Amino acid sequence: AQSVTQPDIHITVSEGASLELRCNYSYGATPYLFWYVQSPGQGLQLLLKYFSGDTLVQGIKGFEAEFKRSQSSFNLRKPSVHWSDAAEYFCAVAYNNDMRFGAGTRLTVKP
Amino acid sequence: NAGVTQTPKFQVLKTGQSMTLQCAQDMNHNSMYWYRQDPGMGLRLIYYSASEGTTDKGEVPNGYNVSRLNKREFSLRLESAAPSQTSVYFCASSAGGEGWSQPQHFGDGTRLSIL
Repeated sequence: AQSVTQPDIHITVSEGASLELRCNYSYGATPYLFWYVQSPGQGLQLLLKYFSGDTLVQGIKGFEAEFKRSQSSFNLRKPSVHWSDAAEYFCAVAYNNDMRFGAGTRLTVKP
Repeated sequence: NAGVTQTPKFQVLKTGQSMTLQCAQDMNHNSMYWYRQDPGMGLRLIYYSASEGTTDKGEVPNGYNVSRLNKREFSLRLESAAPSQTSVYFCASSAGGEGWSQPQHFGDGTRLSIL
């Protein structure tokens, strides 16, 4: 069965530190890959997406993600976290018009 | 720029009551979606509409109906609410067009409690 796994439920980082959020998927072929962010009380916002081509994808708000086929992963990174990055982050995977979301990783930023 | 507007923002229902969640987008998007979000889970697709006049079931359609009233509006109806439908409901839209497209813009959600 197709699945999307975000291994970390909650991550805490200090402001200015680097960030990496993990996402793994289980699909028979390479799907489309996405990262969304959700601030409290709001809907999701699309950060970036990967369809094909360059495996390092740049997104909004200084985020990037790298697709690694051999690891079935699509991890989200940011070199220096800002307090405003505190939110919940969702990885999503789409294949054959079927899109599934991970359970999310909640990011806390310490001053 | 309103984007995607959902009404109401909060609602409490009794088991067996019915209600309709409203969603409207002002971006002239073709595709619209209804999701539910439950604690510890990602979003799950209830129904989507690839274009005006078409609707299709998603992952969890049971207990729900939808209407794509026109290009702007996509409503979700609970005919007989059950406690298991307590959730946060999100409407989303995307430009769509040819082929599949991911949801791009989300509303702020409707928090629905069923007692």
